[in-house]
Amino acid sequence: NAGVMQNPRHLVRRRGQEARLRCSPMKGHSHVYWYRQLPEEGLKFMVYLQKENIIDESGMPKERFSAEFPKEGPSILRIQQVVRGDSAAYFCASSPPDRSGGSYEQYFGPGTRLTVT
Amino acid sequence: DQQVKQNSPSLSVQEGRISILNCDYTNSMFDYFLWYKKYPAEGPTFLISISSIKDKNEDGRFTVFLNKSAKHLSLHIVPSQPGDSAVYFCAVPWGGSNYKLTFGKGTLLTVNP
Repeated sequence: NAGVMQNPRHLVRRRGQEARLRCSPMKGHSHVYWYRQLPEEGLKFMVYLQKENIIDESGMPKERFSAEFPKEGPSILRIQQVVRGDSAAYFCASSPPDRSGGSYEQYFGPGTRLTVT
Repeated sequence: DQQVKQNSPSLSVQEGRISILNCDYTNSMFDYFLWYKKYPAEGPTFLISISSIKDKNEDGRFTVFLNKSAKHLSLHIVPSQPGDSAVYFCAVPWGGSNYKLTFGKGTLLTVNP
């Protein structure tokens, strides 16, 4: 039973380019969360998605960042016109369906380390 | 503004001894407190949790203690093993949700053989 998969593991972008980070949740999981860890900081919640729905994006920067979780395929975190301050580790997590919505028992992927030069 | 604080960036202990990792929090309304462990190049792994209605939760070698009056929780690992060497994060779900986790900065535990 594969865990949460993220790719690429490392991504280098020049300022102004776009970054696309992909996440495949664990089998049977329908809830996906994205987190960002800036250097010397703890992980911070960005967005919570279910299939074809953004449930909570209260942690997302208002501009340049977007996320989707289509009916088929992985969840995508997209960062347009990247700046140096976007350099961070981006973690995806998933949890199984839950009647109350999301869950704190989240299973994390290995992360994508984004470097903006 | 940090909602959970881990003031010790690192901790070194001898194999077989007790490891105590500490975490302070700011909001007395938090319902759950979590500990995650993270190895290099991997994502955090859920370790143990405690509800705010309890003051202790034990799972094998791992015990979490909650002191609500002091807004403090601690993770005890006994006996410590070299394989426990990792970064440990405390985390809380916040904003009235049960899924929006915020993490402390982490404590790097090194267990020496």
